[in-house]
Amino acid sequence: EAGVAQSPRYKIIEKRQSVAFWCNPISGHATLYWYQQILGQGPKLLIQFQNNGVVDDSQLPKDRFSAERLKGVDSTLKIQPAKLEDSAVYLCASSADISSYNSPLHFGNGTRLTVT
Amino acid sequence: TQLLEQSPQFLSIQEGENLTVYCNSSSVFSSLQWYRQEPGEGPVLLVTVVTGGEVKKLKRLTFQFGDARKDSSLHITAAQPGDTGLYLCAGARGAQKLVFGQGTRLTINP
Repeated sequence: EAGVAQSPRYKIIEKRQSVAFWCNPISGHATLYWYQQILGQGPKLLIQFQNNGVVDDSQLPKDRFSAERLKGVDSTLKIQPAKLEDSAVYLCASSADISSYNSPLHFGNGTRLTVT
Repeated sequence: TQLLEQSPQFLSIQEGENLTVYCNSSSVFSSLQWYRQEPGEGPVLLVTVVTGGEVKKLKRLTFQFGDARKDSSLHITAAQPGDTGLYLCAGARGAQKLVFGQGTRLTINP
């Protein structure tokens, strides 16, 4: 099966600019996650979708970050305006259903964002 | 507050040696997963442990879940350069989100 697709692979922007990331999950996977991984740290969940509804966005900085999953398939994550501390790898993951034990996460290769 | 503490953070050993990395928490988890992440890629699931005291083996890798389901260990026998990577543990409580540790960066020198 095709894996989780993410684009772009790399992005360099200046602070206060906007950026958007795209994710296409594994076909049929109902749950989609966006994680932020700062260098030297483990992934931190930003937002979790079940189909096209938000399950958890408690750690999403909503003043600058937004995400949507229209039609319950692809998803986009946007940052506007970007700050230096947003420099990180943004990972998208999907699972067949909401239970992480029964349905392990499959990660994409991420988008490496550098904010200068 | 880091719910899952991994140790050591960095480990560099020679090929053929054995090693153990740890994942500790004060919280109880219903399941715990181990992932390996290589540079430029996303984490890849190695194993899921569910039952307290459970031991799972994956070739030269042995995973153990603590009796109280608060901690876990990963033991690698006769490490090889291909084992190099970032090892992440992640705990789940029921159907809630996975919480990741900060990872152990392992380097196996030929």
